[in-house]
Amino acid sequence: QVQLQESGPGLVKPSETLSLTCSVSGGSISPYYWIWIRQPPGKGLEWIGYVYDSETTHYNPSLESRVTISVDTFKNQFSLKLRSLTAADTAVYFCARGFPYTGYDLSGASYHFHYMDVWGKGTTVTVPS
Amino acid sequence: QSVLTQPPSVSGAPGQRVTISCTGTSSNIGADYDVHWYQQLPGTAPKLLIYAYNNRPSGVPDRFSGSKSGTSASLAITGLQAEDEADYYCQSYDSSLSDMVFGGGTKLTVL
Repeated sequence: QVQLQESGPGLVKPSETLSLTCSVSGGSISPYYWIWIRQPPGKGLEWIGYVYDSETTHYNPSLESRVTISVDTFKNQFSLKLRSLTAADTAVYFCARGFPYTGYDLSGASYHFHYMDVWGKGTTVTVPS
Repeated sequence: QSVLTQPPSVSGAPGQRVTISCTGTSSNIGADYDVHWYQQLPGTAPKLLIYAYNNRPSGVPDRFSGSKSGTSASLAITGLQAEDEADYYCQSYDSSLSDMVFGGGTKLTVL
């Protein structure tokens, strides 16, 4: 059974860089998507970005200029770096596995995407104002 | 402002049936991109509840079901139980954004 575990600092100063790692146990990195999602206090889920094929990344446009997600297949883990932090980045950060699938849209064209079938428990990150 | 719109809250008594809507547009649900649902119990991580409109992962009771009509999807819960009290999120893909999109979440209260 695949399990994910986030690790990293709980408190980061404004303007600094957050570094989080998600360790994957009980399964391999391929062929999945590896995703970071966050949840500000009392709010909904916000997608940060993902990596797949070990090197292809895609980020939320609102965070793209500050985010880097990478994967280390040898260590079976993937990482998030979020730069220039502000208090608005205070949130619970979740890592998740994206299960890939092929679907068909209304025109009959195929598309490739994923749903999050395994989640880490989340780690709270606070950026003081 | 979420791309997919969900009611902030719904409620029901034990044993009743409730539905949670997820309204999108012609570039996501209306374009027939799959909708997935997640359940987040208080203080825990989200959990996959329904994938590709109406498929349940192993272990999810058949009291949970999904459907779609036009630009909206729905999650139905029958035989409501106290343990169903949670936040529920829908997720899909949006072709105009070329991105994953979430609903804002719906808090289900079991009366």
